[in-house]
Amino acid sequence: AQRVTQPEKLLSVFKGAPVELKCNYSYSGSPELFWYVQYSRQRLQLLLRHISRESIKGFTADLNKGETSFHLKKPFAQEEDSAMYYCALRLGSGGSNYKLTFGKGTLLTVNP
Amino acid sequence: NAGVMQNPRHLVRRRGQEARLRCSPMKGHSHVYWYRQLPEEGLKFMVYLQKENIIDESGMPKERFSAEFPKEGPSILRIQQVVRGDSAAYFCASSPWTDTLTQYFGPGTRLLVL
Repeated sequence: AQRVTQPEKLLSVFKGAPVELKCNYSYSGSPELFWYVQYSRQRLQLLLRHISRESIKGFTADLNKGETSFHLKKPFAQEEDSAMYYCALRLGSGGSNYKLTFGKGTLLTVNP
Repeated sequence: NAGVMQNPRHLVRRRGQEARLRCSPMKGHSHVYWYRQLPEEGLKFMVYLQKENIIDESGMPKERFSAEFPKEGPSILRIQQVVRGDSAAYFCASSPWTDTLTQYFGPGTRLLVL
């Protein structure tokens, strides 16, 4: 069965510092990976997906199939980046590819 | 578009009571997904519904839990005879039939069982 691991429950950085939120997955096939973000008192929203290869709010994430990782990075953290971040996986094909499997989340705090 | 709506946002029940959680998908969306987040855990898939059909309920506990998405009205997740272990955040997501792989989440319902 597929699994998503976010090893850091909490991550605290200072404004302007680089930030990296780690995500590792286990799945033998070709999954699709996502990062979702939940700001305080707001709903879960899609931040980015690996197939888009885009940068949203300065965040990027590269899928490393060799290391089965999809770490989220930003070179200069901002205070408004403080939020809960979830890494999620979806099977790339097949009948159940609507199911999202989430990690436990990492709470990022960016200090002034 | 108001987005996916869920109500109530918070629900308190005593053991043995029934909990009803409602989800109104985004306008134009005909696919609904329910996820549960237990304390200190990630969201876990429960059930996938289309109008008047349950497509996949493989993540639903076998007893006490049921879900529906009628032709008219919101999707309902019903938990009968709640127990303390049912305390969790329940999230609903929806997607349009043209893009079932992009899910938009609601704010969640936080259920507390006393």
